[in-house]
Amino acid sequence: EDQVTQSPEALRLQEGESSSLNCSYTVSGLRGLFWYRQDPGKGPEFLFTLYSAGEEKEKERLKATLTKKESFLHITAPKPEDSATYLCAVHFYGGSQGNLIFGKGTKLSVKP
Amino acid sequence: ETGVTQTPRHLVMGMTNKKSLKCEQHLGHNAMYWYKQSAKKPLELMFVYNFKEQTENNSVPSRFSPECPNSSHLFLHLHTLQPEDSALYLCASSHVSNGSPSDEQFFGPGTRLTVL
Repeated sequence: EDQVTQSPEALRLQEGESSSLNCSYTVSGLRGLFWYRQDPGKGPEFLFTLYSAGEEKEKERLKATLTKKESFLHITAPKPEDSATYLCAVHFYGGSQGNLIFGKGTKLSVKP
Repeated sequence: ETGVTQTPRHLVMGMTNKKSLKCEQHLGHNAMYWYKQSAKKPLELMFVYNFKEQTENNSVPSRFSPECPNSSHLFLHLHTLQPEDSALYLCASSHVSNGSPSDEQFFGPGTRLTVL
């Protein structure tokens, strides 16, 4: 069964303490892997799309990387405003249109 | 208005009520989606509309009834709901061309639904 697993479930960092979030997947034939950020009471905000192993994308303090089995979201010198839940989703070949498989997310808290 | 908007933002209803959720996208997209987000669970895709035609219905109970009158508007009609249907209902949109979906879906803020 196709599956997306995110770890850790929750992560607490001090401001400036860099770390990484993990998203592992077992889909057969990855079409794309997506990272979203979700603030409490709001809808997910699109961050990145990764299509092939070795690909990397950056946005401010965030950098997403992709291998054949997992993706990492690296957070460099985080600030309190980076606190949110980060969601990973995959779309696979053979999947129906729009059928993204989401992980449960990692809740990040950054303390000043 | 920009992006994807949803109304109402909060809704409390009894099990015998009938209500509707509304979603509007201002991005020029032609595919729209309804998701359910419950605590401690991943987002669950409920319905997909592509060029106003429903293309997916992920085994959603008939007490949820979607309607897509045009590519910019999407409704979710609710009736005889159960307390376990309480959740955040999210609408999303994306661009579809040549029958292949664009990958990025853009989400609205959601409607927080409570069923008493």
